[in-house]
This record gives sequence, C-alpha cells and structure tokens, in this order.
Amino acid sequence: GAVVSQHPSWVICKSGTSVKIECRSLDFQATTMFWYRQFPKQSLMLMATSNEGSKATYEQGVEKDKFLINHASLTLSTLTVTSAHPEDSSFYICSATLAAGEQMPQYFGPGTRLLVL
Amino acid sequence: AQKITQTQPGMFVQEKEAVTLDCTYDTSDQSYGLFWYKQPSSGEMIFLIYQGSYDEQNATEGRYSLNFQKARKSANLVISASQLGDSAMYFCAMREGYNQGGKLIFGQGTELSVKP
Repeated sequence: GAVVSQHPSWVICKSGTSVKIECRSLDFQATTMFWYRQFPKQSLMLMATSNEGSKATYEQGVEKDKFLINHASLTLSTLTVTSAHPEDSSFYICSATLAAGEQMPQYFGPGTRLLVL
Repeated sequence: AQKITQTQPGMFVQEKEAVTLDCTYDTSDQSYGLFWYKQPSSGEMIFLIYQGSYDEQNATEGRYSLNFQKARKSANLVISASQLGDSAMYFCAMREGYNQGGKLIFGQGTELSVKP
C-alpha cells in the first residue's frame, strides 16, 4: 500500500516552454501533497504544500508564478514549471500523506528529472 | 526553529557487518515524529522506519532499528547485516506537528557504501 506515482520520470525541454508534472496517490486518498526539489548530492528542499481544493502554500523564496501547483482531487496534484529556463533543471519529487499528524510518514513518488536546454 | 543534523557525509561498511548512521535533531515541540528514508541512485525516496516522540521503545523494522535517545535528541539508524543493495543516500527527517503543517524537515544525508 501507500504507492505514489509521478509522471513523467524524465523530461527534456527547450528554454521558454512550460512543463507539467503529475503526482498521484494510487491506493489512498492524500489530504496533503508536498513538492520538493533536489540538486545532485544535496538534500530535499520543500517547495510547497498542497491541500485538495485550496491554494498551495509556498516556501519562502519559491516563486508562485513560476511553479504553479494544482491539487484537483484527493489523489492528484500537478506542478507546472512555467517558462522553464536552464536554472530550473533539477530533480523534482512529490510526496503524499494520509494526514498531517506528526506520526504519519510521507510517501514519495519516483521523481521527475527535468533538463531545460 | 526545528533542525536535523547528519554529521557523516559518507560512510563505508563491510558487507554483513552492522553500521550506525547518526542523526541529531533540535525542536521545542513535545510531539514530533522522526523518520529515516533511503534514496538509491534511481532517486526514489523509500520510507524505512518511524519513531514517535512519545514512544518508549526503539522502533525496529527488519534489519533496521532506530536508536532513540530523547534526552540527547538523537535518532540514529542502525542497519544490521549490511547488504550490497543497502548502498544509497540515507536521510533523517523530522515531521512537525499538525499545527505546523506537518512538513518534513530533512537532514543533509549520509551516503552509505557497502563493500563486498
């Protein structure tokens, strides 16, 4: 149980285009989903917290207009990188949780590697 | 502010031996959760083990155990009988309580290499 999928796993795009990444909880309903960014050999950096039916909460320094998050249902959240530039190249990974309690683990998707040329 | 510290950037262990990965944390909350995740080179984050701040016994999950010392604010991961497939990055994380949004705060990670 507690499987999270993420699509696509790899994307290469030209500078200026927008890229949409989907995160789905396959066998449970996720009250909250999280989006992270990770650079090579570094830890995960939380970008935003997404709750179904409400606006995402972005971490300090993360551009809301650059990284659009939509949490349309209890099983789907999407991250759109708008007008992508080479500096947006990174590993993006989502997670989902059943509840916000401190005892609940977050279950992660397999991640998406984005390369902007 | 909550903080997680992993002081070992890299660790080596011989196959079949045990290894301890260190993790210390800092929080003023009374209720919190501590987690360990494994990240192989493929990038996926695999949940390994959980310890609650009120749990009196150390958590165990198969070959993984968590050495929880609350007074010292440490939550070290012990992997017994290491296998080649254990080579990966390991992250310690702390989850804030509900009122703080339930965010996970990650440490810097420890890269474990298992030698045959």
